[in-house]
Amino acid sequence: DTAVSQTPKYLVTQMGNDKSIKCEQNLGHDTMYWYKQDSKKFLKIMFSYNNKELIINETVPNRFSPKSPDKAHLNLHINSLELGDSAVYFCASGTGGYEQYFGPGTRLTVT
Amino acid sequence: GQSLEQPSEVTAVEGAIVQINCTYQTSGFYGLSWYQQHDGGAPTFLSYNGLDGLEETGRFSSFLSRSDSYGYLLLQELQMKDSASYFCAVGRGGATNKLIFGTGTLLAVQP
Repeated sequence: DTAVSQTPKYLVTQMGNDKSIKCEQNLGHDTMYWYKQDSKKFLKIMFSYNNKELIINETVPNRFSPKSPDKAHLNLHINSLELGDSAVYFCASGTGGYEQYFGPGTRLTVT
Repeated sequence: GQSLEQPSEVTAVEGAIVQINCTYQTSGFYGLSWYQQHDGGAPTFLSYNGLDGLEETGRFSSFLSRSDSYGYLLLQELQMKDSASYFCAVGRGGATNKLIFGTGTLLAVQP
């Protein structure tokens, strides 16, 4: 009965490849988010969806494309992976307040 | 723009009290949250201050002074399991809530 789940937990791939990360929440929340945490642990929002509608799109390269098939799922597809994309990607969900529930994270390593 | 500054590291002993400060510069202030993240884990919500003053939740308390653009997290009766990174975050409520996270403070609790 995990609240926010992500797959895969670890992702190791080569530069230039395309990869996807999937996220699901069973909390009934309307809003879902993608965050990126770099090697210095700086946590930065990338995207947010509310009821399948994109509402926050930070300055993120076009190679990153989120997709929300329904309000319980938010996926992240990354094209042409670069070394600088190596980070931990967290999915989160919430009701629009200050309490957000984070998934376990996906550690992406680009070689 | 928005920025939040925290001390990078704090060390304390078991049973002690520690305060983690957060100063922020924002174009509009909408509330201060605190999150805990254990090494390799996901951020988890600890507390929220929307108004000035002290909020207490068990061993943890959080304080906000909007006039000083300052807040802190107070951890009492420190336990080894409190060793983690602590992040302050500002944001606004509603469907477009976007949390801007601070630089994070690594707390090391020693026996």
